Amino acid sequence: GQNIDQPTEMTATEGAIVQINCTYQTSGFNGLFWYQQHAGEAPTFLSYNVLDGLEEKGRFSSFLSRSKGYSYLLLKELQMKDSASYLCAVTDSNYQLIWGAGTKLIIKP
Amino acid sequence: ETGVTQTPRHLVMGMTNKKSLKCEQHLGHNAMYWYKQSAKKPLELMFVYNFKEQTENNSVPSRFSPECPNSSHLFLHLHTLQPEDSALYLCASSHKTSGSDVDTQYFGPGTRLTVL
Repeated sequence: GQNIDQPTEMTATEGAIVQINCTYQTSGFNGLFWYQQHAGEAPTFLSYNVLDGLEEKGRFSSFLSRSKGYSYLLLKELQMKDSASYLCAVTDSNYQLIWGAGTKLIIKP
Repeated sequence: ETGVTQTPRHLVMGMTNKKSLKCEQHLGHNAMYWYKQSAKKPLELMFVYNFKEQTENNSVPSRFSPECPNSSHLFLHLHTLQPEDSALYLCASSHKTSGSDVDTQYFGPGTRLTVL
């Protein structure tokens, strides 16, 4: 079967750095998405990786290793507003999006 | 107008009621999606429409009935629901040119549905 694994919950301190991991086993691979979802709000697109390596976008970076079936989302200089759930999703060989259950990130002052 | 809107934001209904969820996208996209989001579970894709034609129905019970009158509007008609259907129902849209295409989906804020 197809599977996306990410931690259920993480806690970090304001101003620090946090890395949210995502591992996947899917039938084929056509890219990996990260979305942010604040409580009661719409998931919003953060990043898309299809090639190995690190993509940086301001305070957020996303890394992909296709050979390891692994990605991470790195958040720097954490702010209270970064408290949210972070969803990992992989596009499989049929161009279907397979979703993880999300990681709830709690930021403490 | 914000990208994808959904109404109502909250809905409480009994098991014998009939209600409808509405989604509207203002992004000029051609594909629209219904998802079910339950606590601590992955998003479950329910239905996909591309250019008003249904292209996916992921074994969804018939008590959920979608309708897509045009590329900008999507409805989910609900009847005889069960308490386990209580969840957040998310609508999304994307610009999908073909079946073999990676596209970014844009989501609405969802309807929080409670079935009593």
